Amino acid sequence: QSVLTQPPSVSAAPGQKVTISCSGSSSNIGNNYISWYQHLPGTAPKVLIYENDKRPSGIPDRFSGSKSDTSATLGIAGLQTGDEADYYCGTWDSSLSAVVFGGGTKLTVL
Amino acid sequence: QVHLQQWGAGLLKPSETLSLTCAVYTGSFSGYYWSWVRQPPGKGLEWIGQINHSGSTNYNPSLRTRLTMSVNTSKNQFSLKLSSVTAADTAVYYCARRYCDSISCHFDSWGQGTLVTVSS
Repeated sequence: QSVLTQPPSVSAAPGQKVTISCSGSSSNIGNNYISWYQHLPGTAPKVLIYENDKRPSGIPDRFSGSKSDTSATLGIAGLQTGDEADYYCGTWDSSLSAVVFGGGTKLTVL
Repeated sequence: QVHLQQWGAGLLKPSETLSLTCAVYTGSFSGYYWSWVRQPPGKGLEWIGQINHSGSTNYNPSLRTRLTMSVNTSKNQFSLKLSSVTAADTAVYYCARRYCDSISCHFDSWGQGTLVTVSS
């Protein structure tokens, strides 16, 4: 059971937009910044979003992030087949003094 | 551009100690938290713990009693030891750099991953 809650899967057609939610509590998302990671099979995870809504250089603006209270959302617009991957939210939990991740969301581009 | 390269034994028997090392190439070793993250088969990412260049650690509470992390600043390397492994410790293990600025932290660089299998 993950500390952060994500939907197990989402799907959408190429070109469409999808959102992935991440729900937590005041000890994690509510009082800390969140980051999002893309994990393709057989590769290392890659940061897509940090500090709730900032994109590292090289990450296209199709990827966006937002946070409200104890929840966060990753948005992916203009879906491409190459976006099929597992997506994870992560943040610091002040009560646990630990990094916590969501359980991951598998994106299928139909 | 920092590069992380990891290595260690990939097959262990129950009760043995898992040992992995990660070398950091190109870039500063100080000013970051050096972490380990694992992914059991069919499951999500799990943070194992982190260490900084001075040896200060934070461990996942669920693994704390079996976990030891260390750092070798002369070689820009950090290591993980997990004792008394069981099949539940079978996973792909990643080393990662956790970058922190004044307000937040995130993982900005990862090793290639090492599959560790625990089986009798």
